[in-house]
Amino acid sequence: EAGVVQSPRYKIIEKKQPVAFWCNPISGHNTLYWYRQNLGQGPELLIRYENEEAVDDSQLPKDRFSAERLKGVDSTLKIQPAELGDSAVYLCASSLGTGVLADTQYFGPGTRLTVL
Amino acid sequence: QKEVEQNSGPLSVPEGAIASLNCTYSDRGSQSFFWYRQYSGKSPELIMFIYSNGDKEDGRFTAQLNKASQYVSLLIRDSQPSDSATYLCAVLSGAGSYQLTFGKGTKLSVIP
Repeated sequence: EAGVVQSPRYKIIEKKQPVAFWCNPISGHNTLYWYRQNLGQGPELLIRYENEEAVDDSQLPKDRFSAERLKGVDSTLKIQPAELGDSAVYLCASSLGTGVLADTQYFGPGTRLTVL
Repeated sequence: QKEVEQNSGPLSVPEGAIASLNCTYSDRGSQSFFWYRQYSGKSPELIMFIYSNGDKEDGRFTAQLNKASQYVSLLIRDSQPSDSATYLCAVLSGAGSYQLTFGKGTKLSVIP
């Protein structure tokens, strides 16, 4: 079974440019997460989707970040405009659902973003 | 603010020894506890999860949970150089939020 797929794997952009990341979760996983991981830190949740609904976006900087999960499968995370401090690894994860027994999260390979 | 604390390390152990990784958490309502391994430049990989107080063993790995002390640990027996990585403790809160909070990770080095 294929794992979580993300693209691109690496992205280098200049500040003030837009950038988008794409994620395809494990088949059958209803819950999708976007995390940001800075160097030397653990991942931090940006947004969580249950099917197509964003149920937790409290940590998403809404002035420049946006996300969508059309049809409850693939998801896109966008930054516009990017700032120097956005350089990080953006991780997508998925789980069967939420709840104690179904919430084990599996991570994709991540997208390493460098903003110059 | 839910917090998960880990010693950043590095923790160095000789090959064949037991590596002990510790984690404390602040939210008493936390329900589930996860250990992820992350190799340099790679994404986190799930090793184990534990829900109930006590020990849970899986091969060379044992997770230990003490909810009264808000403490969870991971023991790696017969450590191998391939176990050298950063180990992330993650705690899932309950009460409808189901937010997974990660510690900063402990870097483990297994010396041949």
